[in-house]
Amino acid sequence: DTGVSQNPRHKITKRGQNVTFRCDPISEHNRLYWYRQTLGQGPEFLTYFQNEAQLEKSRLLSDRFSAERPKGSFSTLEIQRTEQGDSAMYLCASSPPVSYGYTFGSGTRLTVV
Amino acid sequence: GEDVEQSLFLSVREGDSSVINCTYTDSSSTYLYWYKQEPGAGLQLLTYIFSNMDMKQDQRLTVLLNKKDKHLSLRIADTQTGDSAIYFCAESILFQNFVFGPGTRLSVLP
Repeated sequence: DTGVSQNPRHKITKRGQNVTFRCDPISEHNRLYWYRQTLGQGPEFLTYFQNEAQLEKSRLLSDRFSAERPKGSFSTLEIQRTEQGDSAMYLCASSPPVSYGYTFGSGTRLTVV
Repeated sequence: GEDVEQSLFLSVREGDSSVINCTYTDSSSTYLYWYKQEPGAGLQLLTYIFSNMDMKQDQRLTVLLNKKDKHLSLRIADTQTGDSAIYFCAESILFQNFVFGPGTRLSVLP
């Protein structure tokens, strides 16, 4: 197992376009998390899945954001009608059912121009 | 609400000890963590401490927790240039979502 994998590593998009990111967690991990990290800040929680169920969503996750984990394995995060303020690093993490910490992926850096 | 604060920068000389401090506000936090982030990389879990402990040692790392003052510190002994990174303090309640601090950028001078 190579850890948590995120694709793409970098994405540049024009304002108003839709983007989709993918996260492949560690295979035996049933919990999956999305965080957003802007420059000079710590990661901020966006949403959390346990298997295929989305159990918690942050207020940061506006209507333009949607996340899915259809089969309880990989997850996608879609941002519709991107805005410049969406530029950030989007981090995915996974963990087993009871764990003292997550394993993070390397992130997808989104730049909206 | 939950809030985690850290000083933003720390500079030490190679071989010295580094102490990175963190304060948090949520008294119901059950676990407190230290993560390390190197440039262009994701976050790496360094160590964690349960809220009913006051100290944990793991090789060069020592975590001290003062629950009364809601103060957490990370001491790195014999700091090396490879320790240069951003260190994030985080809190969680029962393995749910984490609240991270803004990170402390540690620079190790030769």
